[in-house]
Amino acid sequence: GAVVSQHPSWVICKSGTSVKIECRSLDFQATTMFWYRQFPKQSLMLMATSNEGSKATYEQGVEKDKFLINHASLTLSTLTVTSAHPEDSSFYICSAIGQNNSPLHFGNGTRLTVT
Amino acid sequence: AQTVTQSQPEMSVQEAETVTLSCTYDTSESDYYLFWYKQPPSRQMILVIRQEAYKQQNATENRFSVNFQKAAKSFSLKISDSQLGDAAMYFCAYRGMIYNQGGKLIFGQGTELSVKP
Repeated sequence: GAVVSQHPSWVICKSGTSVKIECRSLDFQATTMFWYRQFPKQSLMLMATSNEGSKATYEQGVEKDKFLINHASLTLSTLTVTSAHPEDSSFYICSAIGQNNSPLHFGNGTRLTVT
Repeated sequence: AQTVTQSQPEMSVQEAETVTLSCTYDTSESDYYLFWYKQPPSRQMILVIRQEAYKQQNATENRFSVNFQKAAKSFSLKISDSQLGDAAMYFCAYRGMIYNQGGKLIFGQGTELSVKP
């Protein structure tokens, strides 16, 4: 079945540095990718929607200059957390969808810890 | 804007018994999809069941079934013959049509299900 690979699965970085998270669709072309954030014991909150070759659409309250999203190809989207702070520590999950109303596939998530 | 509400933060069920998780949603759209996802401690998102709004028949997947009431905007999940492996966080989710909402999922708050042996 369709697979979405997310890398890294966990990362620890120092405050002020930037971290890049990759999301790849392995056997299908992802026309749209979504980035979610999840705090412990809470739900998944949509951060942004990215379409290949165009600028991402950010949800209200999400800083686009802090969470840079690039969707350069039909199989790869990246989320870069710039100038990370401890409050950015969270679980980030990507998901991808192909054409039409195909199912949504999730990556396994990235646990980010900012010290 | 669409919203999804799960009013049960925690539920508990005895092994082999049946449990129902509640979900309500709000939308002005007539075409959409509804889902139940399971998230175990590994935090992997696992699709449990999916319902198309245009279908009146309730979806069923083995021990999992839904009660979809479109007029009431209700979408509950019933787990029959509960197993220890069913213990997880369960999320109800709404997805509009891809041409309208881009296919994004909107999640409820989640229900933590525990299964007692």
